[in-house]
Parts: sequence; structure tokens; C-alpha cells
Amino acid sequence: DAKTTQPNSMESNEEEPVHLPCNHSTISGTDYIHWYRQLPSQGPEYVIHGLTSNVNNRMASLAIAEDRKSSTLILHRATLRDAAVYYCILREPFYNNNDMRFGAGTRLTVKP
Amino acid sequence: NAGVTQTPKFQVLKTGQSMTLQCAQDMNHEYMSWYRQDPGMGLRLIHYSVGAGITDQGEVPNGYNVSRSTTEDFPLRLLSAAPSQTSVYFCASSTSGTTGELFFGEGSRLTVL
Repeated sequence: DAKTTQPNSMESNEEEPVHLPCNHSTISGTDYIHWYRQLPSQGPEYVIHGLTSNVNNRMASLAIAEDRKSSTLILHRATLRDAAVYYCILREPFYNNNDMRFGAGTRLTVKP
Repeated sequence: NAGVTQTPKFQVLKTGQSMTLQCAQDMNHEYMSWYRQDPGMGLRLIHYSVGAGITDQGEVPNGYNVSRSTTEDFPLRLLSAAPSQTSVYFCASSTSGTTGELFFGEGSRLTVL
């Protein structure tokens, strides 16, 4: 199974951009990169996913390195509500395991 | 929109007792999975299913059984509860394939005494 590596924790100031890194050096060509976050006392929620090209949605942007061995989740203006654990996950195709393994994630602290 | 529904939300068991955590989804998702989350830790995959009649083991399957007789339901059975199984359990579902977004239930908090 392809694995990801994330820093245990990061801090940010409110209203500043946040770049959350993820390394996935063993990624295969058909694996998608998914990001989820878990707010305190809640279940995880989907943030964004991508394959090769950078992706944007209303929550965040995903920047994927050209060799796909790393990616960065970008929160353009952090708010206190963005304080959460952020998980970077690789999802294999249906004909492989297709499961999603979360790992420990990065705990983001946002300071006012 | 019900989404993913887990029951019960809270349960206390004695060591050796058995129980079933229920999970149902109304989105016609092929993929369903169970995770456990211990305090201060990330989620660990217990079992998953890519369709009715198909189940597979995740990272920590010992002590748990699953079955998938319908698309909608994916119950998790604890065969003989142990204190080490005290945790919060999350059920999730998605379309199969590599792009499906996982939808999570609200979680079931289980305490084994």
C-alpha cells in the first residue's frame, strides 16, 4: 500500500495562508490524492482530491508536484474554524485495494 | 438527507460480551468501511467492502466481523469485547473507484469495562 508522510503539527495565524505538506514517494500512476480534515469531536470530512493537476474548490487548493511524490494543501486564509487534524490519503483503483487508510495526520492550530 | 447513519451512538459493554454496531447509508454507495479512533490518534481501518457480498480486512481486523448482505447496510460485530476495543467507531461510505468522496457517520463511542 502506498503511504503518506505528514508533519505531526503546524501552527498558523488567523487570516494568513497555510500550506500543509504531504509526501507520498511510493505513489503509483493511478492513485488519487485525497485530503480530509477532522474538526474536534466530529467525524472526518472531505476537503479535496486530485490526480496530477492542481485543484481548487471553495474550501482549499491542492498543489501536486510534477513527479507526484508530494502535494500541498493550501488554505488561503485560515480561520479559527480551520483548526483540525488534516489527513492526506492515497486511494488506489478499484482493481487494487481501493481502501483508504488515514494515518496520524497533521494537527493544525490557528492562533487569533 | 440521512447520509450515513450509525447506531448506537454510545454503548458500554462488559468484557466478553458481544454486540453489533449498525451502519446504513442511503446514497447507493458501493464502498463502505469501518474505522476506529483511539484518543489522540488517527483513524485505523478495520474492515471494508467494495460491494454487496464482498468484504476485506483493513489494518486492525482482529476481534471484529463484518458482512455485507445488502448495498445499504454494513454491520460491525464485536465477537468478545475486550477493554482494548474501547474506542470511537466511524462508518463511512463512498462510490467505488479512486475519486469517490468518503461520507462519515457521526461515530459510535464504545466503552468496554
